[in-house]
Amino acid sequence: GENVEQHPSTLSVQEGDSAVIKCTYSDSASNYFPWYKQELGKGPQLIIDIRSNVGEKKDQRIAVTLNKTAKHFSLHITETQPEDSAVYFCAASKNTGTASKLTFGTGTRLQVTL
Amino acid sequence: ETGVTQTPRHLVMGMTNKKSLKCEQHLGHNAMYWYKQSAKKPLELMFVYSLEERVENNSVPSRFSPECPNSSHLFLHLHTLQPEDSALYLCASSQGGGGLQETQYFGPGTRLLVL
Repeated sequence: GENVEQHPSTLSVQEGDSAVIKCTYSDSASNYFPWYKQELGKGPQLIIDIRSNVGEKKDQRIAVTLNKTAKHFSLHITETQPEDSAVYFCAASKNTGTASKLTFGTGTRLQVTL
Repeated sequence: ETGVTQTPRHLVMGMTNKKSLKCEQHLGHNAMYWYKQSAKKPLELMFVYSLEERVENNSVPSRFSPECPNSSHLFLHLHTLQPEDSALYLCASSQGGGGLQETQYFGPGTRLLVL
């Protein structure tokens, strides 16, 4: 089955700096890679996703890159703000014909300090 | 709000109790999911339902029993749980069909403590 590894497990940056979280996956058939943000007491919320037919996607301060050959993808957050502090999860999935099956990484706790 | 609600938000139960978790989605989706989230572990997929039919059961112990009476509601019935079952239980939904609409939307979760 699919295996997703995520690094680092914790990340502390100063407000205004950039943060980068990296994930690798094992199943070359995976073709969909979402990123979720989980704040305390809440469920994971989708922040950005990328499909295997593109190499990069950007949404304001958030960007995701995908390298299919190396089987890794990364989340980039620029100009970090205190409200970016949360746990971030990467995931990978492939078409199954019925419903999606996401395999998640272990999460990165991002702390943005003033 | 994501359009997925879960009740109760917190639950404390003894090992001999029987309780149920409820999930409801207001997104018109056809697939629903139960996940278990424990500290320092990845989210673990437990069950997947597509069009009210169970399509995935990830070797979950029989003390967890899911039920999907219609495409908007999903239940997780709990009985004779163990302390190691204490965790955050998350419900999610997606469009279904396994195509490009794989985005899953999560509810806020039920924090379960088994004593």
